[in-house]
Amino acid sequence: AQSVTQLGSHVSVSEGALVLLRCNYSSSVPPYLFWYVQYPNQGLQLLLKYTTGATLVKGINGFEAEFKKSETSFHLTKPSAHMSDAAEYFCAVSPSGSQGNLIFGKGTKLSVKP
Amino acid sequence: GAVVSQHPSWVICKSGTSVKIECRSLDFQATTMFWYRQFPKQSLMLMATSNEGSKATYEQGVEKDKFLINHASLTLSTLTVTSAHPEDSSFYICSAPTRTSGGEQYFGPGTRLTVT
Repeated sequence: AQSVTQLGSHVSVSEGALVLLRCNYSSSVPPYLFWYVQYPNQGLQLLLKYTTGATLVKGINGFEAEFKKSETSFHLTKPSAHMSDAAEYFCAVSPSGSQGNLIFGKGTKLSVKP
Repeated sequence: GAVVSQHPSWVICKSGTSVKIECRSLDFQATTMFWYRQFPKQSLMLMATSNEGSKATYEQGVEKDKFLINHASLTLSTLTVTSAHPEDSSFYICSAPTRTSGGEQYFGPGTRLTVT
């Protein structure tokens, strides 16, 4: 069965510092990988996705992620954190390709200190 | 981009009553929609897959007689929580893929259900 592991349920960084949120997945076939952000009491907003092609994916709000097949990882980074980045971040994998449901990691809460 | 709406955004009901939550794809057709449940400070767990014109597929451990799903049209799926109890209080989120989204799911804003 496919699964997603997010290391660290809570990450705290200072404003302007590097953001690194870790995600590892298990998949027997090439997966589709996603990062979503959730603000309190709201639905999920797509940050970025990897399906095929270039392994470094750029998303919205300055975030990017790199698909590393050898490490089965899809870590999310942002060079400089902003206060507005404080939210819950979910890594997800699509086990069935383009029309399937998503399997989510447990989420990482990002706090940004002034 | 594609938009998915949910109604209501929040609802409070008494124990034993039923509550219907609507999920609509506003600018695209969705033959499939997914219903997720999210407990406080936890991840989203897939409850069921809603299929237009046919029965929903429920995940293991989800009571199909308690969580009734109807996907009557290509733009609307409903989730009815029957005989709700306090333990059903949760955040319910629906999503839908589009044919051209490359695996991306478009999520509704969620419905906060509180059963008293």
